[in-house]
Amino acid sequence: GQNIDQPTEMTATEGAIVQINCTYQTSGFNGLFWYQQHAGEAPTFLSYNVLDGLEEKGRFSSFLSRSKGYSYLLLKELQMKDSASYLCAVRPEGGATNKLIFGTGTLLAVQP
Amino acid sequence: DAMVIQNPRYQVTQFGKPVTLSCSQTLNHNVMYWYQQKSSQAPKLLFHYYDKDFNNEADTPDNFQSRRPNTSFCFLDIRSPGLGDAAMYLCATSRVGGGQPQHFGDGTRLSIL
Repeated sequence: GQNIDQPTEMTATEGAIVQINCTYQTSGFNGLFWYQQHAGEAPTFLSYNVLDGLEEKGRFSSFLSRSKGYSYLLLKELQMKDSASYLCAVRPEGGATNKLIFGTGTLLAVQP
Repeated sequence: DAMVIQNPRYQVTQFGKPVTLSCSQTLNHNVMYWYQQKSSQAPKLLFHYYDKDFNNEADTPDNFQSRRPNTSFCFLDIRSPGLGDAAMYLCATSRVGGGQPQHFGDGTRLSIL
């Protein structure tokens, strides 16, 4: 089966750092994506990891450990606009298309 | 500028009355996907097209059908909507190959009366 686990909710303070964890057990692994989704809006792409290690992109970084089936998204210098749901998604199959299995998302609330 | 466009943003239909949701893209991507997302749940892939090749997920109900008449457009048809089909329907596109992110439209929120 396919299983992706994330915490349901997190709260953090403006200006702080927050780490959102994701663990996965899937039939295969060909990459992991993080998406941001504001309430009532479409998911938007944040980051992609396929090899172990840290990928940094401005205030957002994402880490992957394939042996542990584990990833995290790190958000620095939090802003109020970062309040959103953060979705972890795994690409279980190789090939041409990019079918994704999504986690249920972590709802992050940034407080003043 | 919107690159994946879904119409309408909100759709209301009656129980059992067929409904069609539309998606268009200006990205010229080969792959188009349809997801169903219910409140506080993960987006669930219904099916996808790789060019004209249709790929259905094993657990997608027969009530859901799709058409892709050309590269730019893709439609989701719900033949006999039930109350459980009320959800946000998301269309996404991607290029071919690993690591290519999916680009989502703003979604159509479907309500069933």
